[in-house]
Amino acid sequence: KAGVTQTPRYLIKTRGQQVTLSCSPISGHRSVSWYQQTPGQGLQFLFEYFSETQRNKGNFPGRFSGRQFSNSRSEMNVSTLELGDSALYLCASSLRTQKGEKLFFGSGTQLSVL
Amino acid sequence: DAKTTQPPSMDCAEGRAANLPCNHSTISGNEYVYWYRQIHSQGPQYIIHGLKNNETNEMASLIITEDRKSSTLILPHATLRDTAVYYCILDTLSNYKLTFGKGTLLTVNP
Repeated sequence: KAGVTQTPRYLIKTRGQQVTLSCSPISGHRSVSWYQQTPGQGLQFLFEYFSETQRNKGNFPGRFSGRQFSNSRSEMNVSTLELGDSALYLCASSLRTQKGEKLFFGSGTQLSVL
Repeated sequence: DAKTTQPPSMDCAEGRAANLPCNHSTISGNEYVYWYRQIHSQGPQYIIHGLKNNETNEMASLIITEDRKSSTLILPHATLRDTAVYYCILDTLSNYKLTFGKGTLLTVNP
């Protein structure tokens, strides 16, 4: 099975621009979540989607948004970029079983805001 | 804030067992103990999880104390490729998110 695919791998933007990141989950996985990783704050939860519905959202400003499509693919958007948005953005898909839930992460999109 | 406490760093010799401790003294009865690791510049990788009993898989073993207030991840024969940040995380499966702490940087030395 193919793993979680995130595109693009690297992205350079300037302040004030917007950006859209894409995530394709593992086939059959219906839950997709997004995390931001920075050297200062570590890994922080952004939001989680299941069957096109957002089930949980982290403590980020409204400039950060996401959505999930009927095929479980997900996108996240950051508008009016700030320098502090420079980070590695990670997507994970998961499948819940009776024994628990495992998250499978993609390699991430490294966003640099200049 | 993460509900677990881990040492910031540990060293291990290649071929020896690596024992990574995690304290979770305020763990709730419905919280699972999860371990993930992150090799530099990659996304985190699931290792193992458990609720009450000790668990073993092809990657590692998880030992949870009887009172569930602490656990140990054991990599039986560490290799250089096991050098990574290891995260111990508690999850109830009801919040649909993981709360990562700072983890333990394990360095496996030749």
